Amino acid sequence: EVQLVESGGALVKPGGSLRLSCAASGFTRNPFSYAWMSWVRQAPGKGLEWVGRIKSKSDGGKTDYAAPVKGRFAISRDDSENTVFLQMNSLKAEDTAVYYCTTGIVGAATLDSWGQGTLVTVSS
Amino acid sequence: QSALTQPASVSGSPGQSITVSCTGASSDVGSYVSWYQQHPGKAPKLMISDVSHRPSGISDRFSGSKSGNTASLAISGLQADDEADYYCSSYTNSGTHVFGTGTKVTVL
Repeated sequence: EVQLVESGGALVKPGGSLRLSCAASGFTRNPFSYAWMSWVRQAPGKGLEWVGRIKSKSDGGKTDYAAPVKGRFAISRDDSENTVFLQMNSLKAEDTAVYYCTTGIVGAATLDSWGQGTLVTVSS
Repeated sequence: QSALTQPASVSGSPGQSITVSCTGASSDVGSYVSWYQQHPGKAPKLMISDVSHRPSGISDRFSGSKSGNTASLAISGLQADDEADYYCSSYTNSGTHVFGTGTKVTVL
């Protein structure tokens, strides 16, 4: 069973930066290096919002981002450590949310494995 | 990409059936619609993929369908543990995901 464990959430001031990590394990069907990894966030009391995704290196390693974070957030991966990262810069109060790491084991179109989430609070 | 539209809340009594709708532009609601269940303080859980496919371990009380630009999640034999937030999601042609606005299901 795939396990995703996020870390790095913290209280940060507006304009600051933060890097989240997601450690993955249990990839038996295909190696982690083949997985397309996404980040999804949920502001307090609000709905789910897709943040961005990184493809596998074999699929070009392309990243895509939602409009609200494009140009400020960057996703990267270290396949040797089975870890994906979310670098968040120029943070705003509206970035306050629980950030989930997620992936689709059976295919890119479905997010069937989720981490427990890590809380990012942007406040002065 | 705008969020898909869901009703804010749906309720039903134990044993009853309910349906949650998910509407978007025709290009937004295609063949890759998923449904997620989220209990308070927990991570989302996949309930339905590819419009109507039920992953292993998901009760057959949950079913999905689509007509035009509206996808639907049906829950039959409503149980107390079904009380949760439900989100639809669509996978776009550009390889991104867009979520619905979310529906709170209440078991009366």
